[in-house]
Amino acid sequence: DSGVTQTPKHLITATGQRVTLRCSPRSGDLSVYWYQQSLDQGLQFLIQYYNGEERAKGNILERFSAQQFPDLHSELNLSSLELGDSALYFCASSVLAGGQETQYFGPGTRLLVL
Amino acid sequence: EDQVTQSPEALRLQEGESSSLNCSYTVSGLRGLFWYRQDPGKGPEFLFTLYSAGEEKEKERLKATLTKKESFLHITAPKPEDSATYLCAVQAMGSGNTGKLIFGQGTTLQVKP
Repeated sequence: DSGVTQTPKHLITATGQRVTLRCSPRSGDLSVYWYQQSLDQGLQFLIQYYNGEERAKGNILERFSAQQFPDLHSELNLSSLELGDSALYFCASSVLAGGQETQYFGPGTRLLVL
Repeated sequence: EDQVTQSPEALRLQEGESSSLNCSYTVSGLRGLFWYRQDPGKGPEFLFTLYSAGEEKEKERLKATLTKKESFLHITAPKPEDSATYLCAVQAMGSGNTGKLIFGQGTTLQVKP
């Protein structure tokens, strides 16, 4: 158990809908990263938040957005869903210590868009 | 462009048959190289971090090594429970103030009893 929690574990929805994925980082970790894992693309970085502020963006679609709240949990919002958005979505949290940073991943949310 | 390539894509071993997985990387300055293990439908589990060429780390039957262009994950006398997908990822110096990871496609290892 990494200490990172994600809800829900599974999500089935229809095209055009909107969903929210939730992540709670490990106690004390200030950074939250979101990644998407699909069969053909592998694990791709989407976005990073650090202590409530957006720090970096990767290959995140405009239909997707995220935020990190004062209690450090994060939410990833996916809207106008398409079939191709079906994937595993992971969050990871990290702490920087001595210039070294390790990311610990949650169990993921499996999204199926029908 | 920063890139990570893992080989082979899939590897089948008999229990006790040692082997190595390769991770080649092209990055604008390496901040760190990471190995993760991922079981089907689960999140990646952290194994090792390597920071400089020549560095080695060990954990049970696994040993990770790093050169300036690639990393190897050596598996000694594997057991069926070592079956999983092994992911390699890099953090690049040129990423600014973010520790985002760039992942390879992974090597899926199957160890038969």
